[in-house]
Amino acid sequence: DQQVKQNSPSLSVQEGRISILNCDYTNSMFDYFLWYKKYPAEGPTFLISISSIKDKNEDGRFTVFLNKSAKHLSLHIVPSQPGDSAVYFCAASDSGTYKYIFGTGTRLKVLA
Amino acid sequence: GAGVSQSPSNKVTEKGKDVELRCDPISGHTALYWYRQSLGQGLEFLIYFQGNSAPDKSGLPSDRFSAERTGGSVSTLTIQRTQQEDSAVYLCASSLSSQGDTQYFGPGTRLTVL
Repeated sequence: DQQVKQNSPSLSVQEGRISILNCDYTNSMFDYFLWYKKYPAEGPTFLISISSIKDKNEDGRFTVFLNKSAKHLSLHIVPSQPGDSAVYFCAASDSGTYKYIFGTGTRLKVLA
Repeated sequence: GAGVSQSPSNKVTEKGKDVELRCDPISGHTALYWYRQSLGQGLEFLIYFQGNSAPDKSGLPSDRFSAERTGGSVSTLTIQRTQQEDSAVYLCASSLSSQGDTQYFGPGTRLTVL
């Protein structure tokens, strides 16, 4: 039973355009969400997070949107750059616990 | 400062052998986590250490897996009698404490069981 789902295994976007990566979750107890970026042969790197008390969090070119009623979050990257090409994982947790539940990742390729 | 480090970066072993994977967390981080990522899967939680408290071992897939954390710092994940399905990337993460603190990951150990 996958509690965090990333239904698009891959995404290609032209440089300068917007990249939108999606994530759905099923557990209504989740109240803290994160995005990690992973390059080959490296560990995941924290990118951005959002608490369920907010519906948007922005950090530079990266914005995470949370729709609690739909149990859906998305990561927007604007403008996309070739260096953004990586695998992006969303993760969720219940702030009362320490376990992150990860999705299976979306491989983003930004074309120059 | 130094991030989370793991060794070895790659390990190839024969089925039935034991392996030990090492993790050095960020200095001062009291919480330490082990995950594994099998091919095409997300990161799967294995075990969690917080200070001197008893670890949460609820994610360990079988009793062939064990982990310890000595002196509240370095951790070793041991897999006994390895099986081919144990092949995966094993990732260690640490955080300042546990509640709501971001987890920082090491580069992982790629384990291949032949």
